[in-house]
Amino acid sequence: QLQLQESGPGLVKPSETLSLTCTVSGGSISSSSYYWGWIRQPPGKGLEWIGSIYYSGSTYYNPSLKSRVTISVDTSKNQFSLKLSSVTAADTAVYYCARRPVTTPFDYWGQGTLVTVSS
Amino acid sequence: EIVLTQSPATLSLSPGERATLSCRASQSVSSYLAWYQQKPGQAPRLLIYDASNRATGIPARFSGSGSGTDFTLTISSLEPEDFAVYYCQQRSNWPPVFTFGPGTKVDIK
Repeated sequence: QLQLQESGPGLVKPSETLSLTCTVSGGSISSSSYYWGWIRQPPGKGLEWIGSIYYSGSTYYNPSLKSRVTISVDTSKNQFSLKLSSVTAADTAVYYCARRPVTTPFDYWGQGTLVTVSS
Repeated sequence: EIVLTQSPATLSLSPGERATLSCRASQSVSSYLAWYQQKPGQAPRLLIYDASNRATGIPARFSGSGSGTDFTLTISSLEPEDFAVYYCQQRSNWPPVFTFGPGTKVDIK
């Protein structure tokens, strides 16, 4: 059974960089059949797609976040990561990692991790 | 940028009733429209993709329809576990950029 698990600091200071890692188990991140993505959800609000990555390293970002986002993949560890720079309180959210088959939407999701931006 | 609008914001129904949720796109998304269900404290769950295809393990009471700019998610007879928030999502053809609608909450009347 495929599982995705987010990890990283739960508290980040304003202006710093938020860093999260998603560890994939029960399947290979190197499969050509999938993209891997990050989605976030501010408390009590809706979902926002942050970006996606292919095992080859090709990335696709939300235009509204593109200047601050970097997503990378480490196939040797079966992990992919998110970095979001210059964070503000508006970046406080539950961050989810998810798998997206090439031809369908996100079908497997991690449980999510709450990241709070506060001094 | 394609904007998705969902209506109503809240739908109050009783178990056994039929639920009809709407999602409208600001421009055509062809059939690249998905529906997700989210319960409190849980990750979203994929219900429908490509407007009308049920995802693996999704009960037949969930159905999707539409194309272009107008889409509908129908729950034929609400079960107690169906009370949740439902989001639609579109994918642009290329590059693959995604946007979500604001959600419709289905609560118990």
